[in-house]
Amino acid sequence: EAGVAQSPRYKIIEKRQSVAFWCNPISGHATLYWYQQILGQGPKLLIQFQNNGVVDDSQLPKDRFSAERLKGVDSTLKIQPAKLEDSAVYLCASLDMGTQYFGPGTRLLVL
Amino acid sequence: GENVEQHPSTLSVQEGDSAVIKCTYSDSASNYFPWYKQELGKGPQLIIDIRSNVGEKKDQRIAVTLNKTAKHFSLHITETQPEDSAVYFCAATPYNQGGKLIFGQGTELSVKP
Repeated sequence: EAGVAQSPRYKIIEKRQSVAFWCNPISGHATLYWYQQILGQGPKLLIQFQNNGVVDDSQLPKDRFSAERLKGVDSTLKIQPAKLEDSAVYLCASLDMGTQYFGPGTRLLVL
Repeated sequence: GENVEQHPSTLSVQEGDSAVIKCTYSDSASNYFPWYKQELGKGPQLIIDIRSNVGEKKDQRIAVTLNKTAKHFSLHITETQPEDSAVYFCAATPYNQGGKLIFGQGTELSVKP
C-alpha cells in the first residue's frame, strides 16, 4: 500500500513570496491533516479535513495560510505572503482506524 | 485545551541498555496515546500506541504504560540498538476532537555502539 505522498520535498523562497504544498493521502482515507513542525519541536495541527470539508482550522493563520481539498482526495496548503517564521517542515497525515499516517514532509526555508 | 509535556529532551544510552521516555498530559478526557519515531529527513512513523482503557502494551522490545490517574504515559525500549537512534514524540488525542494529535516536544535518543 502506498503511503502519504507530498511534494515538493524542499522549497526555498524569499519573504513575502508565495508557496504551495501538495499532499496525496493514502487511498480511501477520508480524514486529512496538515501539521507545521518547527525545528526542535513537535508537529502542530494547522487544519483538518473530512472528505472535502474543514473540520478544524482554529490554528491556521488565515491571514496568510489557506488550504483546500476540493475533491476530497488530494490537498493543497498555500502560504501568501511568507514570513521568516514560516520556515518549518509541513507534514501531511491521513487517518485510518484511529491511526494517523504521515508523509515525508515539505521542508520550507524562508530567507 | 490539551497540553503534552515530554522528558527528557535528549537521552544517550549504550547499546543494549534500556531507554525510558516520559510524557504527561493535561486533559483527563484524552483517550488515545501514540508514540512516533522520526528519523532525520523523514515524517513521523507510528511505533506503538495505547488507548485509555488499557494500562500497558508491549510489542517486542517496545512497551508503553499508561497511568490515567496521574495522567502520564511512558515509552520503554529494551535492548537498544544503534538503529533506535532518532527523535521520539509522544502525543495525545483529546476526546471527540476528530482525532487530532497534540504532540510533546520530542526526545532525541542516541544509542552508542
